[in-house]
Amino acid sequence: DAGVIQSPRHEVTEMGQEVTLRCKPISGHNSLFWYRQTMMRGLELLIYFNNNVPIDDSGMPEDRFSAKMPNASFSTLKIQPSEPRDSAVYFCASRKQNTEAFFGQGTRLTVV
Amino acid sequence: SQQGEEDPQALSIQEGENATMNCSYKTSINNLQWYRQNSGRGLVHLILIRSNEREKHSGRLRVTLDTSKKSSSLLITASRAADTASYFCAPSLYNFNKFYFGSGTKLNVKP
Repeated sequence: DAGVIQSPRHEVTEMGQEVTLRCKPISGHNSLFWYRQTMMRGLELLIYFNNNVPIDDSGMPEDRFSAKMPNASFSTLKIQPSEPRDSAVYFCASRKQNTEAFFGQGTRLTVV
Repeated sequence: SQQGEEDPQALSIQEGENATMNCSYKTSINNLQWYRQNSGRGLVHLILIRSNEREKHSGRLRVTLDTSKKSSSLLITASRAADTASYFCAPSLYNFNKFYFGSGTKLNVKP
């Protein structure tokens, strides 16, 4: 398996634009997680899905953030409209129940 | 908060020495994972230890878990300059598959 695949690796966008981050989890993993990492706040859990259903989105910072998982092999995290304070590295991870969670390489988002 | 808290925040040692990092958490857990992150890179999974396990080994890594004290430790033996990285613990809450991170321990191994 190629591991968790995220795209794009880097994204630079202007304030106010819509940004969509993509994630393909490892095949057979039934849980998917989105994290955000900044110097100030460290690694924050934004949302996680179990069997494609959002279970806990309490970490999503604002209504500008939304996440979907239309099927077991794809998830998106959307920010609309984007703001400079959204600049961060966004990670996606997947796991089976009670097993190791593996991370993608991350998407470095810069909002100017 | 629910996340693991690592201690110390920073650790600087000479190559060849052992490095010990500690993690404390607040609630019952199913398992606890340790990750490494090199500067500007992604998170690499090191070890998962389950709540019914007390110790696990992987190469030069040894992880212990004490559920009565709600704590875990990561020992890296015979450290190398390539071990320089940040190390995070991530406890998974009991009956949940989600996991949280603390602020990590920044390890610097001097050649």
